[in-house]
Amino acid sequence: AQTVTQSQPEMSVQEAETVTLSCTYDTSESDYYLFWYKQPPSRQMILVIRQEAYKQQNATENRFSVNFQKAAKSFSLKISDSQLGDAAMYFCAYRSVESGSRLTFGEGTQLTVNP
Amino acid sequence: AAGVIQSPRHLIKEKRETATLKCYPIPRHDTVYWYQQGPGQDPQFLISFYEKMQSDKGSIPDRFSAQQFSDYHSELNMSSLELGDSALYFCASSLSFSGDTEAFFGQGTRLTVV
Repeated sequence: AQTVTQSQPEMSVQEAETVTLSCTYDTSESDYYLFWYKQPPSRQMILVIRQEAYKQQNATENRFSVNFQKAAKSFSLKISDSQLGDAAMYFCAYRSVESGSRLTFGEGTQLTVNP
Repeated sequence: AAGVIQSPRHLIKEKRETATLKCYPIPRHDTVYWYQQGPGQDPQFLISFYEKMQSDKGSIPDRFSAQQFSDYHSELNMSSLELGDSALYFCASSLSFSGDTEAFFGQGTRLTVV
């Protein structure tokens, strides 16, 4: 079974600065998907960024980028130019490529953005 | 754009009662997932359906059952409710074909068992 670990229960960053959230996972599969989801106080689950394991290039979405290290099974999220609206719980998640397969989430990292 | 619709948004039930949560996926999405998120916890997968057939099963109690109907909406039935069932229940949907990656989440149903 796949597992996802987020070792940082809480992180804080100053507005306009950069922060990196860590995630490691364990799997025996060679192809899979990785995601970062954001959950603000409204509790809505919002997809931030996704990475296909077969792609060597790191995914980027505006101020959000990932550092995907397949051999190390590491998938960190970098948030540049942090904004107050980035404050939320961030979940790293794993999914097999098989259609209909589940998302396995990490424990989450609570990000605080200080003005 | 249409999103995943869950109803009701909030539900209060007493112990030992029954609850039914409904999920309407994004049009043309053929896969539905159910997750349970307790206070301060990460979402835990319960069950999923692809083309109205169960496709994956997680830590869903025997007291819970679910199905996907011909119009692709899904219902999660929860019986003999316990205090520990109080949680946020998410439904998500996706379009399953080669290369699909993203599951879209509804806003959740907050169930409180008293």
